[in-house]
Amino acid sequence: NAGVTQTPKFRILKIGQSMTLQCTQDMNHNYMYWYRQDPGMGLKLIYYSVGAGITDKGEVPNGYNVSRSTTEDFPLRLELAAPSQTSVYFCASSYSVTTNTGELFFGEGSRLTVL
Amino acid sequence: GENVEQHPSTLSVQEGDSAVIKCTYSDSASNYFPWYKQELGKRPQLIIDIRSNVGEKKDQRIAVTLNKTAKHFSLHITETQPEDSAVYFCAAPLSGGYNKLIFGAGTRLAVHP
Repeated sequence: NAGVTQTPKFRILKIGQSMTLQCTQDMNHNYMYWYRQDPGMGLKLIYYSVGAGITDKGEVPNGYNVSRSTTEDFPLRLELAAPSQTSVYFCASSYSVTTNTGELFFGEGSRLTVL
Repeated sequence: GENVEQHPSTLSVQEGDSAVIKCTYSDSASNYFPWYKQELGKRPQLIIDIRSNVGEKKDQRIAVTLNKTAKHFSLHITETQPEDSAVYFCAAPLSGGYNKLIFGAGTRLAVHP
């Protein structure tokens, strides 16, 4: 299994541009998440999904949108990029709460810089 | 609102010493408390977790203790080694449940030979 795969790994955006961070997992996990990690800081939950067609806001959803059309994919859309969105973005997935583990499996991260 | 507070933000120990990191949480319904380790430039990885029906869990040199009454849980690392140097994050569920985790701000642990 490849686990959780994120693309791109690095991206520089100009203020006002839009882009989509891609995330796919091959572990058949129901739950998927997007976190952002600012330098020297913890992980902030942006959006999460409990299954295909279901998404909900996390702690810091403003400026972002998500969709979950399949179990495998959970793209994160940035509209009108701002310097405050400069961060490392991590996608993660986990099993359903009905199983025995709540472990999050993270992707390698996508480093985004908005100039 | 619901949050997770983590202390200390940095911790420096000599190799062989013990390290303790403490987290407090606000949601009394929280029932799952994991700890993640993030090495420099890498993704976070789960090192140990505990559920609310137990007070302590050990895995070799690491252990986690939970005090539900006081709403805090701690990570204990014994006989620290240089490879334990990393940032450690605690987490707790937002509004209950096992998933939808909120993370603490992290503790940067440095183990000096």
